[in-house]
Amino acid sequence: SQQGEEDPQALSIQEGENATMNCSYKTSINNLQWYRQNSGRGLVHLILIRSNEREKHSGRLRVTLDTSKKSSSLLITASRAADTASYFCATVTTGANSKLTFGKGITLSVRP
Amino acid sequence: KAGVTQTPRYLIKTRGQQVTLSCSPISGHRSVSWYQQTPGQGLQFLFEYFSETQRNKGNFPGRFSGRQFSNSRSEMNVSTLELGDSALYLCASSLEAASSYNEQFFGPGTRLTVL
Repeated sequence: SQQGEEDPQALSIQEGENATMNCSYKTSINNLQWYRQNSGRGLVHLILIRSNEREKHSGRLRVTLDTSKKSSSLLITASRAADTASYFCATVTTGANSKLTFGKGITLSVRP
Repeated sequence: KAGVTQTPRYLIKTRGQQVTLSCSPISGHRSVSWYQQTPGQGLQFLFEYFSETQRNKGNFPGRFSGRQFSNSRSEMNVSTLELGDSALYLCASSLEAASSYNEQFFGPGTRLTVL
């Protein structure tokens, strides 16, 4: 079963605009990760934010985490056509036998 | 460093057959996880191996099995294939066990089609 639920399911923006994607989850987590997937290929890790962190940056990416609301957002600034892909949030629960549980993903289209 | 490699990249089988997929992790990585991705169910965790031991298992029937070798390479096997097993099978490696606490590196996947 999916732990993370991304929102929106699909997003279409113009090149140069910012893209914001949201993820909500249900149970306590150790960390939350965002991945990108291009057209049915392997996933690429973008960023990991731990439960005691509130915000992280990596290049044009900014991730926030609100554990009280059980939600995270991924912001891509100054989007490019090459950012067109599916984006997944994945949560890792605390405790033994933890594993990465993915949401269904967000399809981002960046129009040139 | 070479990335995670998976072979074969594409596979077509018929119902009832069995299939073995292979994954070579990044050099030095000792943990390998497998995922199934379908349009309907999304990405679902199959199992994780660390130092040749299955550390964690998802909710899949016993037809799905795996193993890891001493060089960390991993194989997964699906027996008595069903149409619903058609999917992209992704392998991911990471440095340590409790792999989910760290970044995972994914291979390109094996696209399995069951006819």
